[in-house]
Amino acid sequence: DTAVSQTPKYLVTQMGNDKSIKCEQNLGHDTMYWYKQDSKKFLKIMFSYNNKELIINETVPNRFSPKSPDKAHLNLHINSLELGDSAVYFCASSQVRGTGELFFGEGSRLTVL
Amino acid sequence: DAKTTQPTSMDCAEGRAANLPCNHSTISGNEYVYWYRQIHSQGPQYIIHGLKNNETNEMASLIITEDRKSSTLILPHATLRDTAVYYCIVRGQGGSEKLVFGKGTKLTVNP
Repeated sequence: DTAVSQTPKYLVTQMGNDKSIKCEQNLGHDTMYWYKQDSKKFLKIMFSYNNKELIINETVPNRFSPKSPDKAHLNLHINSLELGDSAVYFCASSQVRGTGELFFGEGSRLTVL
Repeated sequence: DAKTTQPTSMDCAEGRAANLPCNHSTISGNEYVYWYRQIHSQGPQYIIHGLKNNETNEMASLIITEDRKSSTLILPHATLRDTAVYYCIVRGQGGSEKLVFGKGTKLTVNP
């Protein structure tokens, strides 16, 4: 079983569309994250949720809205997609009172045309 | 911004030890040193972390200087599959602490 799974793995869409990426973890962790890796390969944190509560919210356009229905899921919804949103989005999870190790998913490559 | 400095790239011969340095001169007393790697097109993978003592696990060893201002990740017998970008990260352990990735070191293991 994959520990942190993301769907879809690939997403190609037009500018202006709205899309969602889903993430699920089966590790029993209480904290989940979204990271964005752009074309220059920089990995930047976007959001973090602990037990469904938002604890990290970096300077991200409000077109991006994370939603955590329960502590095993953290979805990312993006409105009015722009060309600059093209990137690989990684979901991760950790246990806040654990070692601090993050477990990452395999990424979702979003291409906006 | 990342609090660490790493060489942009390094090469290593297969079967030899790979020693990846990292400077973190502004590390504070409660911050840990973490190492992750990212193999092409995959999600980052945790390798090891430490506070002040040297650490070893099945993947690597972490050597932290006594003043904690720098560290070295050692892959004792590098294989071709160890070719990846290696990230050295300084981070506290609280739930609100961010894992901030820098540019990392691109390690190429050559046959």
